[in-house]
Amino acid sequence: DQQVKQNSPSLSVQEGRISILNCDYTNSMFDYFLWYKKYPAEGPTFLISISSIKDKNEDGRFTVFLNKSAKHLSLHIVPSQPGDSAVYFCAASEYGNKLVFGAGTILRVKS
Amino acid sequence: DGGITQSPKYLFRKEGQNVTLSCEQNLNHDAMYWYRQDPGQGLRLIYYSQIVNDFQKGDIAEGYSVSREKKESFPLTVTSAQKNPTAFYLCASSNPPDPAPREQFFGPGTRLTVL
Repeated sequence: DQQVKQNSPSLSVQEGRISILNCDYTNSMFDYFLWYKKYPAEGPTFLISISSIKDKNEDGRFTVFLNKSAKHLSLHIVPSQPGDSAVYFCAASEYGNKLVFGAGTILRVKS
Repeated sequence: DGGITQSPKYLFRKEGQNVTLSCEQNLNHDAMYWYRQDPGQGLRLIYYSQIVNDFQKGDIAEGYSVSREKKESFPLTVTSAQKNPTAFYLCASSNPPDPAPREQFFGPGTRLTVL
């Protein structure tokens, strides 16, 4: 039973436009959410996170939105750049516990 | 230069053989984790350790074993009992939640191929 779902396996966006990556979760006990970026044959790198007490967190070109009632979060990248092309993983955690990862979304930014 | 190292980058093993994957961190993190990544799937937790000399099974621990004798090291052994061992293995570390869970930092991974 997948507790964290990324329903779009891939997304293609033109350079300079907005990329929106989505993530849904089922466990209402999750209270912390993270996004990771991963290049092929490398380990994931942390991108941005959000606590359940917030509904938005911003860091430069990256913004994460959390909708607790819908159990949905999204990552916005604007403007998208070719170097953003990677696999993006959504992850969630209950307090003091391990992370649960989604299956990932492949983002391709076309120049 | 702090970080997590995994060795080797690529590993080949014959069916029926045990193999040990190395993971070392110099971030002074208490917690360490092992994940497995397969194509089209997310990262699945194999084992984790929150403190030296203690570790817990993750979601897919069957066929794997670990040890945590030192804070910096968390080796993973893939035994011959693991039915489908070919995968990309990732090690991570983190500090304990204080108060919110902190992000995990990942190593570069080891690609294991069983021939």
